[in-house]
Amino acid sequence: DIQMTQSPSSLSASIGDRVTITCRASESISVYLNWYQQKPGKAPKLLIYTVSSLQSGFPSRFSGSGSGTDFALTISSLQPEDFATYYCQQSYSSPQTFGQGTKLEMK
Amino acid sequence: QVQLVQSGAEAKKPGSSVKVSCKVSGGPFSSYAISWLRHAPGQGLEWMGGIIPIFGTGNYAQKFQDRVTITADDSTTTAYMELSSLRSEDTAVYYCARAIEDGGYARALDYWGQGTLVTVSS
Repeated sequence: DIQMTQSPSSLSASIGDRVTITCRASESISVYLNWYQQKPGKAPKLLIYTVSSLQSGFPSRFSGSGSGTDFALTISSLQPEDFATYYCQQSYSSPQTFGQGTKLEMK
Repeated sequence: QVQLVQSGAEAKKPGSSVKVSCKVSGGPFSSYAISWLRHAPGQGLEWMGGIIPIFGTGNYAQKFQDRVTITADDSTTTAYMELSSLRSEDTAVYYCARAIEDGGYARALDYWGQGTLVTVSS
Protein backbone atom coordinates (compact mmCIF):
# COMPACT_ATOMS: atom_id res chain seq x y z
CA ASP A 1 0.00 0.00 0.00
CA ILE A 2 1.11 3.57 -0.62
CA GLN A 3 1.85 5.37 2.63
CA MET A 4 0.79 9.01 2.97
CA THR A 5 2.63 11.13 5.52
CA GLN A 6 1.21 14.49 6.50
CA SER A 7 2.90 17.20 8.49
CA PRO A 8 2.38 18.71 10.88
CA SER A 9 -0.10 16.54 12.76
CA SER A 10 -1.41 19.64 14.51
CA LEU A 11 -1.05 23.33 13.94
CA SER A 12 -2.03 26.40 15.95
CA ALA A 13 -2.64 29.53 13.92
CA SER A 14 -4.45 32.85 14.04
CA ILE A 15 -7.08 34.47 11.86
CA GLY A 16 -5.39 35.94 8.80
CA ASP A 17 -2.36 33.64 8.95
CA ARG A 18 -1.02 31.86 5.89
CA VAL A 19 -0.88 28.13 6.59
CA THR A 20 0.70 25.26 4.66
CA ILE A 21 0.18 21.54 5.25
CA THR A 22 2.38 19.06 3.47
CA CYS A 23 1.78 15.50 2.34
CA ARG A 24 4.34 13.02 1.10
CA ALA A 25 3.59 9.76 -0.70
CA SER A 26 5.83 6.71 -0.34
CA GLU A 27 5.95 6.43 -4.13
CA SER A 28 4.89 8.52 -7.10
CA ILE A 29 1.15 9.06 -7.37
CA SER A 30 1.19 11.32 -10.40
CA VAL A 31 -1.59 13.89 -9.88
CA TYR A 32 -3.96 11.62 -7.95
CA LEU A 33 -3.79 13.60 -4.73
CA ASN A 34 -6.88 14.96 -3.01
CA TRP A 35 -7.53 16.99 0.14
CA TYR A 36 -10.49 16.77 2.50
CA GLN A 37 -11.73 19.00 5.31
CA GLN A 38 -13.47 17.41 8.28
CA LYS A 39 -15.22 19.12 11.16
CA PRO A 40 -16.19 17.33 14.40
CA GLY A 41 -19.13 14.97 14.03
CA LYS A 42 -19.34 15.49 10.27
CA ALA A 43 -18.29 13.52 7.21
CA PRO A 44 -15.19 14.67 5.37
CA LYS A 45 -15.75 17.16 2.56
CA LEU A 46 -13.76 17.11 -0.66
CA LEU A 47 -11.74 20.32 -0.75
CA ILE A 48 -9.22 19.90 -3.58
CA TYR A 49 -8.88 17.12 -6.15
CA THR A 50 -6.12 16.11 -8.55
CA VAL A 51 -3.59 18.27 -6.72
CA SER A 52 -4.99 21.72 -7.43
CA SER A 53 -8.64 21.69 -8.56
CA LEU A 54 -10.78 23.52 -6.03
CA GLN A 55 -14.08 21.83 -5.26
CA SER A 56 -17.21 23.90 -5.73
CA GLY A 57 -18.28 25.74 -2.60
CA PHE A 58 -14.81 26.39 -1.21
CA PRO A 59 -13.21 29.84 -1.43
CA SER A 60 -10.12 30.64 -3.45
CA ARG A 61 -7.97 31.13 -0.34
CA PHE A 62 -7.49 27.35 -0.49
CA SER A 63 -4.95 26.09 -2.99
CA GLY A 64 -3.04 22.90 -3.69
CA SER A 65 0.28 22.19 -5.35
CA GLY A 66 2.83 19.48 -5.98
CA SER A 67 3.48 16.45 -8.13
CA GLY A 68 4.94 12.96 -7.90
CA THR A 69 5.44 12.40 -4.19
CA ASP A 70 5.34 15.83 -2.54
CA PHE A 71 2.23 17.93 -2.18
CA ALA A 72 0.97 20.90 -0.21
CA LEU A 73 -2.29 22.51 0.83
CA THR A 74 -2.12 26.25 1.48
CA ILE A 75 -4.69 28.51 3.10
CA SER A 76 -3.73 32.07 2.22
CA SER A 77 -5.59 33.89 5.00
CA LEU A 78 -7.19 31.80 7.72
CA GLN A 79 -10.83 32.42 8.51
CA PRO A 80 -12.77 31.19 11.56
CA GLU A 81 -14.58 28.52 9.55
CA ASP A 82 -11.27 26.97 8.41
CA PHE A 83 -10.43 25.46 11.80
CA ALA A 84 -10.87 21.75 11.14
CA THR A 85 -8.90 18.60 10.41
CA TYR A 86 -7.42 18.20 6.94
CA TYR A 87 -6.57 14.90 5.26
CA CYS A 88 -4.68 14.13 2.10
CA GLN A 89 -5.62 11.04 0.09
CA GLN A 90 -4.09 9.22 -2.85
CA SER A 91 -6.47 7.73 -5.40
CA TYR A 92 -3.69 6.53 -7.72
CA SER A 93 -3.76 2.91 -6.68
CA SER A 94 -5.93 0.56 -4.67
CA PRO A 95 -6.33 0.67 -1.76
CA GLN A 96 -6.80 4.42 -1.60
CA THR A 97 -4.91 5.66 1.43
CA PHE A 98 -5.08 8.75 3.60
CA GLY A 99 -2.65 10.79 5.59
CA GLN A 100 -3.10 10.74 9.35
CA GLY A 101 -4.63 14.20 9.35
CA THR A 102 -3.62 17.71 10.39
CA LYS A 103 -5.71 19.35 13.10
CA LEU A 104 -5.79 23.10 12.58
CA GLU A 105 -6.54 24.90 15.83
CA MET A 106 -6.97 28.50 16.81
CA LYS A 107 -4.01 30.03 18.60
CA GLN B 1 -28.23 17.53 -5.64
CA VAL B 2 -26.67 14.14 -5.00
CA GLN B 3 -27.34 12.74 -1.54
CA LEU B 4 -26.09 9.64 0.18
CA VAL B 5 -28.13 8.58 3.19
CA GLN B 6 -26.89 5.77 5.41
CA SER B 7 -28.71 3.50 7.81
CA GLY B 8 -28.65 4.12 11.52
CA ALA B 9 -26.25 3.30 14.32
CA GLU B 10 -25.65 -0.34 15.23
CA ALA B 11 -24.57 -2.06 18.43
CA LYS B 12 -23.11 -5.53 17.84
CA LYS B 13 -21.55 -8.38 19.78
CA PRO B 14 -18.09 -9.70 18.94
CA GLY B 15 -18.24 -12.40 16.29
CA SER B 16 -21.44 -11.13 14.73
CA SER B 17 -21.97 -9.27 11.43
CA VAL B 18 -23.25 -5.83 10.51
CA LYS B 19 -24.79 -4.61 7.27
CA VAL B 20 -24.90 -0.89 6.53
CA SER B 21 -26.88 0.61 3.67
CA CYS B 22 -26.26 3.73 1.58
CA LYS B 23 -29.14 5.14 -0.46
CA VAL B 24 -28.04 7.35 -3.37
CA SER B 25 -30.44 9.93 -4.78
CA GLY B 26 -30.35 13.00 -6.99
CA GLY B 27 -27.78 11.75 -9.47
CA PRO B 28 -26.52 8.81 -11.52
CA PHE B 29 -25.81 5.57 -9.70
CA SER B 30 -24.78 2.68 -11.92
CA SER B 31 -21.52 3.91 -13.42
CA TYR B 32 -20.08 5.73 -10.39
CA ALA B 33 -17.89 3.89 -7.88
CA ILE B 34 -19.26 3.84 -4.36
CA SER B 35 -16.55 3.42 -1.76
CA TRP B 36 -16.84 2.36 1.87
CA LEU B 37 -14.49 3.83 4.44
CA ARG B 38 -14.22 3.83 8.19
CA HIS B 39 -12.87 6.14 10.85
CA ALA B 40 -12.04 4.47 14.14
CA PRO B 41 -11.42 6.48 17.32
CA GLY B 42 -7.85 7.82 17.32
CA GLN B 43 -7.19 6.30 13.89
CA GLY B 44 -7.06 7.64 10.37
CA LEU B 45 -9.53 7.20 7.56
CA GLU B 46 -9.40 3.71 6.01
CA TRP B 47 -10.69 2.74 2.59
CA MET B 48 -12.30 -0.68 2.89
CA GLY B 49 -13.45 -1.28 -0.64
CA GLY B 50 -15.97 -0.24 -3.24
CA ILE B 51 -18.25 -1.21 -6.06
CA ILE B 52 -19.22 0.14 -9.46
CA PRO B 53 -22.86 -0.99 -9.60
CA ILE B 54 -22.96 -1.56 -13.35
CA PHE B 55 -20.13 -4.10 -13.02
CA GLY B 56 -21.54 -5.65 -9.86
CA THR B 57 -18.28 -6.93 -8.33
CA GLY B 58 -16.75 -5.50 -5.18
CA ASN B 59 -13.14 -4.32 -5.03
CA TYR B 60 -11.67 -4.79 -1.55
CA ALA B 61 -8.67 -3.65 0.41
CA GLN B 62 -6.56 -6.68 1.30
CA LYS B 63 -6.93 -5.93 5.01
CA PHE B 64 -10.69 -6.50 4.80
CA GLN B 65 -10.81 -9.00 1.94
CA ASP B 66 -11.86 -11.97 4.09
CA ARG B 67 -14.52 -10.17 6.11
CA VAL B 68 -16.24 -7.55 3.95
CA THR B 69 -18.85 -7.87 1.22
CA ILE B 70 -19.97 -4.85 -0.77
CA THR B 71 -23.03 -5.07 -2.98
CA ALA B 72 -25.30 -2.70 -4.88
CA ASP B 73 -28.95 -2.80 -5.92
CA ASP B 74 -29.60 -0.83 -9.09
CA SER B 75 -33.36 -0.97 -8.66
CA THR B 76 -33.20 0.91 -5.36
CA THR B 77 -29.92 2.81 -6.01
CA THR B 78 -28.62 1.50 -2.71
CA ALA B 79 -25.19 0.15 -1.85
CA TYR B 80 -24.47 -2.16 1.07
CA MET B 81 -21.44 -3.03 3.14
CA GLU B 82 -21.45 -6.14 5.31
CA LEU B 83 -18.62 -6.76 7.75
CA SER B 84 -18.42 -10.12 9.48
CA SER B 85 -16.55 -11.62 12.46
CA LEU B 86 -16.74 -8.31 14.25
CA ARG B 87 -14.26 -7.47 17.00
CA SER B 88 -13.91 -4.51 19.30
CA GLU B 89 -11.35 -2.92 16.97
CA ASP B 90 -14.10 -2.59 14.33
CA THR B 91 -15.84 0.05 16.44
CA ALA B 92 -15.84 3.04 14.11
CA VAL B 93 -17.90 5.41 12.04
CA TYR B 94 -18.48 3.86 8.63
CA TYR B 95 -18.98 6.07 5.57
CA CYS B 96 -20.05 5.52 2.01
CA ALA B 97 -18.83 7.99 -0.59
CA ARG B 98 -19.24 8.45 -4.33
CA ALA B 99 -16.48 9.02 -6.86
CA ILE B 100 -16.35 12.46 -8.48
CA GLU B 101 -16.37 10.95 -11.98
CA ASP B 102 -17.72 7.74 -13.41
CA GLY B 103 -15.78 4.77 -14.66
CA GLY B 104 -13.29 3.82 -11.97
CA TYR B 105 -11.86 4.00 -8.47
CA ALA B 106 -8.94 6.37 -9.18
CA ARG B 107 -11.11 9.31 -8.28
CA ALA B 108 -11.65 11.73 -5.46
CA LEU B 109 -14.77 11.22 -3.33
CA ASP B 110 -17.12 14.15 -3.70
CA TYR B 111 -20.34 13.06 -2.00
CA TRP B 112 -20.37 11.34 1.36
CA GLY B 113 -23.00 9.73 3.52
CA GLN B 114 -23.55 11.09 7.01
CA GLY B 115 -21.75 8.16 8.63
CA THR B 116 -22.97 5.16 10.63
CA LEU B 117 -21.56 4.44 14.06
CA VAL B 118 -20.96 0.74 14.60
CA THR B 119 -20.11 -0.20 18.17
CA VAL B 120 -18.77 -3.68 18.90
CA SER B 121 -18.91 -4.65 22.54
CA SER B 122 -19.76 -7.68 24.64
